[in-house]
Amino acid sequence: RKEVEQDPGPFNVPEGATVAFNCTYSNSASQSFFWYRQDCRKEPKLLMSVYSSGNEDGRFTAQLNRASQYISLLIRDSKLSDSATYLCVVTFSGGYNKLIFGAGTRLAVHP
Amino acid sequence: NAGVTQTPKFRVLKTGQSMTLLCAQDMNHEYMYWYRQDPGMGLRLIHYSVGEGTTAKGEVPDGYNVSRLKKQNFLLGLESAAPSQTSVYFCASTLRANTGELFFGEGSRLTVL
Repeated sequence: RKEVEQDPGPFNVPEGATVAFNCTYSNSASQSFFWYRQDCRKEPKLLMSVYSSGNEDGRFTAQLNRASQYISLLIRDSKLSDSATYLCVVTFSGGYNKLIFGAGTRLAVHP
Repeated sequence: NAGVTQTPKFRVLKTGQSMTLLCAQDMNHEYMYWYRQDPGMGLRLIHYSVGEGTTAKGEVPDGYNVSRLKKQNFLLGLESAAPSQTSVYFCASTLRANTGELFFGEGSRLTVL
């Protein structure tokens, strides 16, 4: 079983739709959680951190469920520019604070 | 604002050839990483460094070597390239390892024939 699993998609949604992605992780000792965004043939960039209490950044909401070991990303009022791959990242303690990346969920927003 | 710069951006090698990928960052970051990204798989850590003069193995280190002689540079070497090393390679850096925020270079697309 992969340490971090995501539905690869693609999620095809119209502009203005609300879409949600989940990411499950296998190690209950996981410490921190993040969502990264990666545009086609570009480098990943941090989208937002995921806090235990949940957090919101504009149209984006991230939530953590430690009991069920998953994090989620909700995008409201989807824009064409939201089309990208969203990577779930989980960290564990260690000499370099090990980061494990999921393979990503692809989102395609169409007019 | 250069950030993290990788060279070369593209390279085609024949099996058995060697090459070096250079990563340079101008943010005075201590931690630097080399990842590879393959279709359907997440970014996998090859090697990393927690400071000048230090290197350590990640998840998939076989076939690669690294050096960090200067704080701003992290080199990834392939001594004898194999087709299985065809991939997109990303370098990343961060100031503190516990922030989860990595700054990535634009990637280096390597094809081994």
